[in-house]
Amino acid sequence: NAGVTQTPKFQVLKTGQSMTLQCAQDMNHEYMSWYRQDPGMGLRLIHYSVGAGITDQGEVPNGYNVSRSTTEDFPLRLLSAAPSQTSVYFCASSYSGAPGNEQFFGPGTRLTVL
Amino acid sequence: AQSVTQLDSQVPVFEEAPVELRCNYSSSVSVYLFWYVQYPNQGLQLLLKYLSGSTLVKGINGFEAEFNKSQTSFHLRKPSVHISDTAEYFCAVSQANQAGTALIFGKGTTLSVSS
Repeated sequence: NAGVTQTPKFQVLKTGQSMTLQCAQDMNHEYMSWYRQDPGMGLRLIHYSVGAGITDQGEVPNGYNVSRSTTEDFPLRLLSAAPSQTSVYFCASSYSGAPGNEQFFGPGTRLTVL
Repeated sequence: AQSVTQLDSQVPVFEEAPVELRCNYSSSVSVYLFWYVQYPNQGLQLLLKYLSGSTLVKGINGFEAEFNKSQTSFHLRKPSVHISDTAEYFCAVSQANQAGTALIFGKGTTLSVSS
């Protein structure tokens, strides 16, 4: 199993540009989520999904969109990038939405917005 | 709402010394508790978790943590650290009866092990 994969690993954007961060898992997990990691802030939840077709907002959803058309994929879209979105983004998945399940994290995407 | 406080942002120790990374949480409801480790330029990996039962939880790589409900703490310990334990450690909490497994993370503790 590849586990949770994320592409790209690095990305530089200009303010106002749009892009999609890709996330895929091959473990048939129902639950997927996106976090951003900023220095001294830990990880903060952006959006999550408890299954195909179902998404919801986390702690810091503004400026980001998600969709979940398949079990495997959970892309994160930045519609108009801002410097405040410079961060490291992690995708995670777990077997189900039940609390207590281990979350498996991808290797991250390092995004810089100029 | 839940919150997590990791009391030390950086912990420097020498190889083979014991270490304790401190974590306190705040919640008005039952919670599950986790410790994750992040090695440089990698994603997070689960070290251990407490769901119920014995308050002393053993994890991977020789780490253990003790859940103390009265002190709302979940400190991580290792009796003898190695250079390879150098990493960032995150304490996290989720509400026990809340679907969606939303994890609330602390700000992290950087463990630096030197020889």
